[in-house]
Amino acid sequence: KQEVTQIPAALSVPEGENLVLNCSFTDSAIYNLQWFRQDPGKGLTSLLLIQSSQREQTSGRLNASLDKSSGRSTLYIAASQPGDSATYLCAVSFYGQNFVFGPGTRLSVLP
Amino acid sequence: DTGVSQNPRHKITKRGQNVTFRCDPISEHNRLYWYRQTLGQGPEFLTYFQNEAQLEKSRLLSDRFSAERPKGSFSTLEIQRTEQGDSAMYLCASSLGDSGANVLTFGAGSRLTVL
Repeated sequence: KQEVTQIPAALSVPEGENLVLNCSFTDSAIYNLQWFRQDPGKGLTSLLLIQSSQREQTSGRLNASLDKSSGRSTLYIAASQPGDSATYLCAVSFYGQNFVFGPGTRLSVLP
Repeated sequence: DTGVSQNPRHKITKRGQNVTFRCDPISEHNRLYWYRQTLGQGPEFLTYFQNEAQLEKSRLLSDRFSAERPKGSFSTLEIQRTEQGDSAMYLCASSLGDSGANVLTFGAGSRLTVL
């Protein structure tokens, strides 16, 4: 069974800290992996997509890495801000079909 | 293009009633996905279409759920004989599949409350 897990489930940090969110998946035959942000009661916003042939992607203060052999991806957020507070979700596309989501990490950045 | 549009945004219904949700994807996107999300959980896959063909349907989806995308544009998700356990946020996403990137773009969701 294809599963995606995320740790930690929740994280609280002071403003300005760098932080890492983790995503693990059970099947290394992935097509691509996406990181999303979700604000309370809202839909999902795509942050970064990493294709299976890539090792990392960067957008502004965000950097996502992919290690297929170990079944892991990390999302690095530099110089965190209160506006970064949200739930971050990892989604994996296995064999180019549907996406399997992790349960998310709820991030709080304290001013 | 205004992105992915979902209607209604919120539906309150009594147990046993039927409900229908509509999703209008980004116009050039050929893939359309339906997910369900409950509080504190990640989205759970329900089904997806490529153009008008329904290519995959979750085994978790009961026979009370049906989805259509008749002309390969908008899609509807119908839930018959609703149960309290159907209360959730129903999310629609679209993508330009087979492009290698397949970035999902989500709508704001339709929240269902079954009394």
